[in-house]
Amino acid sequence: GAVVSQHPSRVICKSGTSVKIECRSLDFQATTMFWYRQFPKQSLMLMATSNEGSKATYEQGVEKDKFLINHASLTLSTLTVTSAHPEDSSFYICSGEGEGDTDTQYFGPGTRLTVL
Amino acid sequence: AQSVAQPEDQVNVAEGNPLTVKCTYSVSGNPYLFWYVQYPNRGLQFLLKYITGDNLVKGSYGFEAEFNKSQTSFHLKKPSALVSDSALYFCAVRDFTGNNRKLIWGLGTSLAVNP
Repeated sequence: GAVVSQHPSRVICKSGTSVKIECRSLDFQATTMFWYRQFPKQSLMLMATSNEGSKATYEQGVEKDKFLINHASLTLSTLTVTSAHPEDSSFYICSGEGEGDTDTQYFGPGTRLTVL
Repeated sequence: AQSVAQPEDQVNVAEGNPLTVKCTYSVSGNPYLFWYVQYPNRGLQFLLKYITGDNLVKGSYGFEAEFNKSQTSFHLKKPSALVSDSALYFCAVRDFTGNNRKLIWGLGTSLAVNP
């Protein structure tokens, strides 16, 4: 149980384009979803927290107009990196927290974004 | 301020030996503590958590952790390490400030189990 998927697992795009990453909770309803960014051999950096049907809460220093987050349903959240630049290249990971287990985040496998 | 510290960047153990990955925390109130493991180029997998109850928590893959309130520690342990346990381990504590539900993360400890 508590499986989270992410799609795509890997994406390469040109600078200036937009990329959408999907995060789905497959066997539970995720009332809250989190988006993280991780640099090589470093810890997780929380980008934003989203609740279904509400606007996401962004962490300080994260540009909300650049990293668009939509949590349209209890099983789907999307992160769109708009006008991507090489410095946006990173490993993006989502997690979901469900109604029945509100103390534990379950993570997706991550998306490796490379911006050329 | 609430924080989590993992004092060791890397831990090396021989296969079959016991392993310990250390974590200390600083929070106001009762801590909710978590351990996750990350294999290369993968997301994080939940290992175990302490919310309340017995100080010794048993989790996945034979791991356990002991909550020590006086030492503000939550060290991860396993009696007999496997080569397949080699991975990056993260300790985290729930941040209860405001209305957020986020976790505060340690910097991670890389565990290498040598055959």
